[in-house]
Order: sequence, then C-alpha cells, then structure tokens
Amino acid sequence: DVKVTQSSRYLVKRTGEKVFLECVQDMDHENMFWYRQDPGLGLRLIYFSYDVKMKEKGDIPEGYSVSREKKERFSLILESASTNQTSMYLCASSDLLNTEAFFGQGTRLTVV
Amino acid sequence: AQSVTQLDSQVPVFEEAPVELRCNYSSSVSVYLFWYVQYPNQGLQLLLKYLSGSTLVKGINGFEAEFNKSQTSFHLRKPSVHISDTAEYFCAVSWNTGNQFYFGTGTSLTVIP
Repeated sequence: DVKVTQSSRYLVKRTGEKVFLECVQDMDHENMFWYRQDPGLGLRLIYFSYDVKMKEKGDIPEGYSVSREKKERFSLILESASTNQTSMYLCASSDLLNTEAFFGQGTRLTVV
Repeated sequence: AQSVTQLDSQVPVFEEAPVELRCNYSSSVSVYLFWYVQYPNQGLQLLLKYLSGSTLVKGINGFEAEFNKSQTSFHLRKPSVHISDTAEYFCAVSWNTGNQFYFGTGTSLTVIP
C-alpha cells in the first residue's frame, strides 16, 4: 500500500518559533509538494520539488522554506512562526508526469 | 494563468437523490483531470482520474465523471448519494506543459437524511 506520511497530525507552536514539518513517501516519486489548506481558499501550493535538492516556489512561499536532501523526504520549514500561519498543511507526492497526487494525512498547525 | 473553478461551494442534497458537482478549467490542451474527496481532518483521497481514452470515467464509491473537451469541464456525478458521502470534494488539473497540480476551492457536499 503506497504511503505518504507526515510526522505530526497536530502541532501547537508559539509565535516566533522555528517549525519543521516532515513528509516521507515510499513510492520513489520524483515530485513532492507542500500545500496549505484554509476554508474557502482550497489548496494553495507553497513549494514543490522535482528532484533532490531542487525546489520551486508555489503561489504562497513567503514565510516558508523547504529542504529535500533525500528523494523520499521533503521538509517544510517555518523560519519564524506567526499566527497567520495557523492552518492545515498537506504534503503530496507524484511521479514525474503527475499522473496522480498521493496525499499525507495532513498536519493541523496552530500558532499561538 | 491556469485555473480550476468549482462553481458551487456548498451543495446540500437529500439521501438517495442524484448529485452533480461542477468543475471547469482554463484550457483543455494536454490535461490530466482528477477528483479528490476529503473527510474531516484527513488528507485527500483520489475518487477518479482521467488521463486518456474514454471520456467517461468511473471511480470509487459509485462516482463517475465526464471529460468534456469543448466545454473544458469535468463534472462529478453520483446517481444516488448516501450519508457517508458527506465530505469536501476537490477538482484538480495537471497540465502537461507544467509540473504541478492546480486545485479548485472545493465543494462541500452535505447529504441530508
């Protein structure tokens, strides 16, 4: 059974903290994605990566960075968490042709 | 710019009634089309996808969708809904000219007993 695993289901962090969200896939996929989901706004792409050490900005990269040191792992980093980054974060992976996106269970982050 | 539009943000429907959730996108050139379902506090699960071939696509849980190239639409249908179909539904498109997925803003389907 193919799987995308996010390290945490729920996180509570304080304003100004550095936050790491981890995502691991076991399908040997080239492409990996980080989305943010907010009510009424759907899924918005933060960053994606099409290869190790490669990354491209999505629609809302401000306040975020990413790291992909190994093919199976894609990390999202909030350098200094702010309350407006309270949201659901979804990781996904796909083959090179994007024939299907496989999603993790999501991380609900609350910044207080 | 590429875009995906889900015209209905909320759709209430009685149990055992038919339902159609609408999805339109900006260009039909070399597209892959998807419908995903999301239950509360979970990730997205694939319902069905169109990559090529027959324009009528059947998915899980009795859902189907039809690719209409001329109208750039990919509407999702189910002839008889159940309470368990209550969820958020997302249409998504992947264009061969790009390397990412584009999602609609979602449709909240509520099945009323």
